[in-house]
Amino acid sequence: TQLLEQSPQFLSIQEGENLTVYCNSSSVFSSLQWYRQEPGEGPVLLVTVVTGGEVKKLKRLTFQFGDARKDSSLHITAAQPGDTGLYLCAGAEAGNMLTFGGGTRLMVKP
Amino acid sequence: NAGVMQNPRHLVRRRGQEARLRCSPMKGHSHVYWYRQLPEEGLKFMVYLQKENIIDESGMPKERFSAEFPKEGPSILRIQQVVRGDSAAYFCASSPVTSGAGDTQYFGPGTRLTVL
Repeated sequence: TQLLEQSPQFLSIQEGENLTVYCNSSSVFSSLQWYRQEPGEGPVLLVTVVTGGEVKKLKRLTFQFGDARKDSSLHITAAQPGDTGLYLCAGAEAGNMLTFGGGTRLMVKP
Repeated sequence: NAGVMQNPRHLVRRRGQEARLRCSPMKGHSHVYWYRQLPEEGLKFMVYLQKENIIDESGMPKERFSAEFPKEGPSILRIQQVVRGDSAAYFCASSPVTSGAGDTQYFGPGTRLTVL
């Protein structure tokens, strides 16, 4: 069973600060997906990265997939209170099942 | 274009009763996945189905749990003789018929099961 370590678990920052969330594994994934989950709702897809070394940008969010496809990071620039939520990384295996990290609970204070 | 639909959104059962959770995938999607999220934990894979076939049930408890995805109608996750430890949020996801890496899964809003 592949494992994904996500860090940090909790992050509380002030509006305007930058932050990075990390997702690490000793195993290779065919692709990696980042989701955001609000309380009482299902995960909402932010991005899928497939190619080693790939970088994708979504407004103030920058996602990177490691060259070896074992790790990924999510960087948020100038965080806003609306960014508050649970961020989940999930690695896709050959059989299509997703292995989720434990999540990073982000709080951005105004 | 409706997303993944799950019902009920909330389900309360007493110990020993049966729970039936339904999932309708996005239009055009023929792959369905069920995940369980315990309080304050990440999502854990349970089962992967295609129409009329269970592809991977490695994450499903061996007893009391079953899943199906019939030719017509929604996918059903069935939990017999529920116990308090079954209380969790159960999420369904679907993906289209594609091959190769990057098959994105789209999640429903979940069913929150509470066992009294």
